Amino acid sequence: DAGVIQSPRHEVTEMGQEVTLRCKPISGHNSLFWYRQTMMRGLELLIYFNNNVPIDDSGMPEDRFSAKMPNASFSTLKIQPSEPRDSAVYFCASSLEGGRGRAQYGYTFGSGTRLTVV
Amino acid sequence: KQEVTQIPAALSVPEGENLVLNCSFTDSAIYNLQWFRQDPGKGLTSLLLIQSSQREQTSGRLNASLDKSSGRSTLYIAASQPGDSATYLCAFMNSGGYQKVTFGIGTKLQVIP
Repeated sequence: DAGVIQSPRHEVTEMGQEVTLRCKPISGHNSLFWYRQTMMRGLELLIYFNNNVPIDDSGMPEDRFSAKMPNASFSTLKIQPSEPRDSAVYFCASSLEGGRGRAQYGYTFGSGTRLTVV
Repeated sequence: KQEVTQIPAALSVPEGENLVLNCSFTDSAIYNLQWFRQDPGKGLTSLLLIQSSQREQTSGRLNASLDKSSGRSTLYIAASQPGDSATYLCAFMNSGGYQKVTFGIGTKLQVIP
């Protein structure tokens, strides 16, 4: 398996532009997570999908952020309009939930998308 | 609110030393705890996963322990090498409600040749 695949690896955009980040989870995994990492706040969970359904989006900063998972093999995180404070590394992770709805085997992370909004 | 603390924030050791990284958590309702390694500009690589029913896990020169009563996990690295230089993060998964994972800020390790 190629692991969790994220694209693009780097994105530089101007303030106000729309940004779309993409993620392909590991085949067979049924849970997907979007995280944001900054020096100040570390890793923050933005949204969690289980079987393509958003379960918890309480970490999404504001209405400018939206995420979709149209099928088990693809998810997007969109920021519209983007702002300089959105600059961070965005990670996608996937897991296989077993009994009691838990990731018995832990999480696998993608390589991340480094977003810079100027 | 669950808090995960990692001490120290940074550590520099000479090559060959054995070292211990610490992770403490405030919520005792743990499902599992996972240690990750992150190289600069890269994603997180899973090192060890400890279930709540386990006390430790070992992989090569790495050993992770879990003490639920004290709310602590340690990652022991034996005979450190320059290639071990990275940031090490612990991730706590709670056992209540749906799965929610809280990460520590990490310990930045530098092993000097």
